[in-house]
Amino acid sequence: QSVLTQPASVSAAPGHKVTISCSGSSSNIENNYVSWYQQLPGTAPKLLIYDDHKRPSGIPDRFSGSKSGTSATLVITALQTGDEADYYCGTWDTGLSIHWVFGGGTKLTVL
Amino acid sequence: EVQLVESAGGLVQPGGSLRVSCAASGFSFNIYAMNWVRQAPGKGLEWVSSISGSDKRTYYADSVKGRFTISRDNSRNTLYLHMTRLRVEDTAIYYCAKDSETEAAAGWFDTWGQGTLVTVSS
Repeated sequence: QSVLTQPASVSAAPGHKVTISCSGSSSNIENNYVSWYQQLPGTAPKLLIYDDHKRPSGIPDRFSGSKSGTSATLVITALQTGDEADYYCGTWDTGLSIHWVFGGGTKLTVL
Repeated sequence: EVQLVESAGGLVQPGGSLRVSCAASGFSFNIYAMNWVRQAPGKGLEWVSSISGSDKRTYYADSVKGRFTISRDNSRNTLYLHMTRLRVEDTAIYYCAKDSETEAAAGWFDTWGQGTLVTVSS
């Protein structure tokens, strides 16, 4: 059971938009920056979004992040077949002890 | 170019020990915090441990606390994870990841290695 809650799967057709949610609490999402990671099949994870909404160099603006209270959201527009991957949210949890937490991951299928 | 290359993992019996390493290049290794993240077969990502760049402050997941030790040799640009009292449930791909910040528990994981498979089985 992950500390951060994500939907197990989402799907949409090429060219369409998907939204992936990440729900946490005041000890993690609400008071710490959220980052998102993309893991293509058989590869290592890659940073997609940091500081809730910023994109590293080379990440297209089809990927965007936002946060409100204890929830964060990743939006992918103009879906491509190459976007099929697992997506994870993550942040520091600074409650009783300091530790990093990941969401359980969301498998994106581009139909 | 930032590169992280993990050493080969291996097969270890339950209760055994193993040390994996991560060779870093392309950035000032001694400045940045570093992290280990693992992924059991078919499962999601699980954070294991973090270490600060300079004062070497460390943090551990409850699942490995007291069994795993993270360390770094800044003169060799190398990160280590020493795993003891290994359990079957420690079987996973272990990734090292560069932190965006100098202090652990402050940033995000901006670069990842390719991972190394550690299998714990009798």
